Amino acid sequence: DIRMTQSPSSLSASVGDRVTITCQASQDISNSLSWYQQKPGKAPKLLIYDASNSETGVPARFSGSGSGTDFTFTISSLQPEDFATYYCQHYDNLRSFVTFGGGTKVEIK
Amino acid sequence: EVQLVQSGAEVKKPGESLKISCKGSGYIFRTYWIGWVRQMPGKGLEWMGIIYPGDSDTRYSPSFQGQVTISADKSINTAYVQWSSLKASDTAMYYCARAGRSGEVATIFDYWGQGTLVTVSS
Repeated sequence: DIRMTQSPSSLSASVGDRVTITCQASQDISNSLSWYQQKPGKAPKLLIYDASNSETGVPARFSGSGSGTDFTFTISSLQPEDFATYYCQHYDNLRSFVTFGGGTKVEIK
Repeated sequence: EVQLVQSGAEVKKPGESLKISCKGSGYIFRTYWIGWVRQMPGKGLEWMGIIYPGDSDTRYSPSFQGQVTISADKSINTAYVQWSSLKASDTAMYYCARAGRSGEVATIFDYWGQGTLVTVSS
């Protein structure tokens, strides 16, 4: 099974900071990776798909990059509404399997 | 507008059975896979499995195979997950989500239900 290791598990940052979260796959997954934002008490929201493509309506400060085993999610300038938990997700259509990373909680410093 | 509306919160005792639902609207329900995701209290997201309402083809995560049953009724645009004998460890929020690429079984989830909280306690 492919394992997704997300880091850090939590971080503290200030409004305006640049925030970077990484997700590492245990084997090559090409670009089959997405990123979600989840706020307390709410369902996750898709932000990035296929490693680097932004979902419609997602602010430009959110971006993703990477391929193979190493992926990065970046918030270029953290806004008050961005404090949330972020998850990476690998999807394997060939094996009909989905797996999520452990999540990164972004808190206010 | 695409919407997934889930059934309400449930409080059950260990050993009881339960079936929760997810009703889709605003798109051709039978042509998109619907997945289920568990989130235990204070924990991360876990993919349980997924169903294609068009023909009820179902795939399960190995962690959930045999623990739950996923089904769908395309005539009423509704997907379900059910338990035959609940355990305290089934206490969690359960989300349904639409697989965002028509016909693709394992892909992004572009629309999510609001979640159904299941509490199992004696």
